[in-house]
Amino acid sequence: EDQVTQSPEALRLQEGESSSLNCSYTVSGLRGLFWYRQDPGKGPEFLFTLYSAGEEKEKERLKATLTKKESFLHITAPKPEDSATYLCAVSGSSNTGKLIFGQGTTLQVKP
Amino acid sequence: ETGVTQTPRHLVMGMTNKKSLKCEQHLGHNAMYWYKQSAKKPLELMFVYNFKEQTENNSVPSRFSPECPNSSHLFLHLHTLQPEDSALYLCASSRVQGALPQPQHFGDGTRLSIL
Repeated sequence: EDQVTQSPEALRLQEGESSSLNCSYTVSGLRGLFWYRQDPGKGPEFLFTLYSAGEEKEKERLKATLTKKESFLHITAPKPEDSATYLCAVSGSSNTGKLIFGQGTTLQVKP
Repeated sequence: ETGVTQTPRHLVMGMTNKKSLKCEQHLGHNAMYWYKQSAKKPLELMFVYNFKEQTENNSVPSRFSPECPNSSHLFLHLHTLQPEDSALYLCASSRVQGALPQPQHFGDGTRLSIL
């Protein structure tokens, strides 16, 4: 059964303190891995798509990487506005657009 | 108006009521999705529509009835719901392009409370 596990469940950082979020997955025939950010009361906001092991994507203070078993979301010198829940999702060999989501990592960045 | 718009943002209904959730996308996408988000649980896919045709029903109870009249609009008709159906219902859309899955873009959801 396809499965996504994110760790840690919650993370508190001081402003400027870099860290990484983990997304471990088990899926039949990975076709894509997606990172989203979700603020309270809002829908998930798309950040990155990764399609193959070794691929990396960057956007401002965020960098996403992918291996055959997991993905990392690296946050460099975070700011309080980076506080949110970060969601990881995978698409497997099914071609119906089905995404399997992890439970998310809630990040709090204190000034 | 751009993006994915969901209405209403909040809905309170009794177990015997009938109501509908509406989703509209202005992104020119041809696939639309309904998800359920409950506290402390991962997003759960409910339905998928590709080019107006339903291609996925993730074992959703029949008290939830989707409708997709065109590629820009998606409805979720609700009737005889249970208290455990209280949740945030999210709509998303994406392009269907080649063999690679495209990112899904989400609305801000309808917060549903069942009395």
